[in-house]
Amino acid sequence: GAVVSQHPSWVICKSGTSVKIECRSLDFQATTMFWYRQFPKQSLMLMATSNEGSKATYEQGVEKDKFLINHASLTLSTLTVTSAHPEDSSFYICSARDLPGRANEKLFFGSGTQLSVL
Amino acid sequence: GENVEQHPSTLSVQEGDSAVIKCTYSDSASNYFPWYKQELGKRPQLIIDIRSNVGEKKDQRIAVTLNKTAKHFSLHITETQPEDSAVYFCAASIKGGGADGLTFGKGTHLIIQP
Repeated sequence: GAVVSQHPSWVICKSGTSVKIECRSLDFQATTMFWYRQFPKQSLMLMATSNEGSKATYEQGVEKDKFLINHASLTLSTLTVTSAHPEDSSFYICSARDLPGRANEKLFFGSGTQLSVL
Repeated sequence: GENVEQHPSTLSVQEGDSAVIKCTYSDSASNYFPWYKQELGKRPQLIIDIRSNVGEKKDQRIAVTLNKTAKHFSLHITETQPEDSAVYFCAASIKGGGADGLTFGKGTHLIIQP
């Protein structure tokens, strides 16, 4: 299947700092990427849909000024957690569609980023 | 919006036995239903998916069935092995034909007892 790379895999930061997470599609072009958040032993919650060259679409309840998304190229989307606080500590994971618009397209996930805010 | 219910939350089976995980969805327009396996601290891996134009799909020890009328779909794992232990998520897509807007179930922690 398609490969989605995500970095860093884990990060520890101080409260009030910003953290950037990168999501790359390695062997395909991803016009759309998705960012999810996952708490321990819970399901994946869609945060936002990242569209190449345009603004991201955020799910209800997700602060767009808190979670900045940039999708500047067909292979890279970034999520920046601004002014992070302990409640932002979570597992963040991106995903991308390998064949957007095609009948057999599938969704592949990055390896995830464990964020711990002290 | 779409709502996906998944049961059970935890399933423990003896090695070699079969495991069945069930999901229901609310939006009759959903027509793409993938299943993901997630090991602790790792990314979800797509293990099988089904689209609404078929009722069943099988891949070796894994099968998925879909009942559009009842709006439920199930994952079947036969001859379970220790490496099948993981959390399994079902999902449903509210858009036709693709992976957009996937809504996930809450997950099932499958434990294979040796």
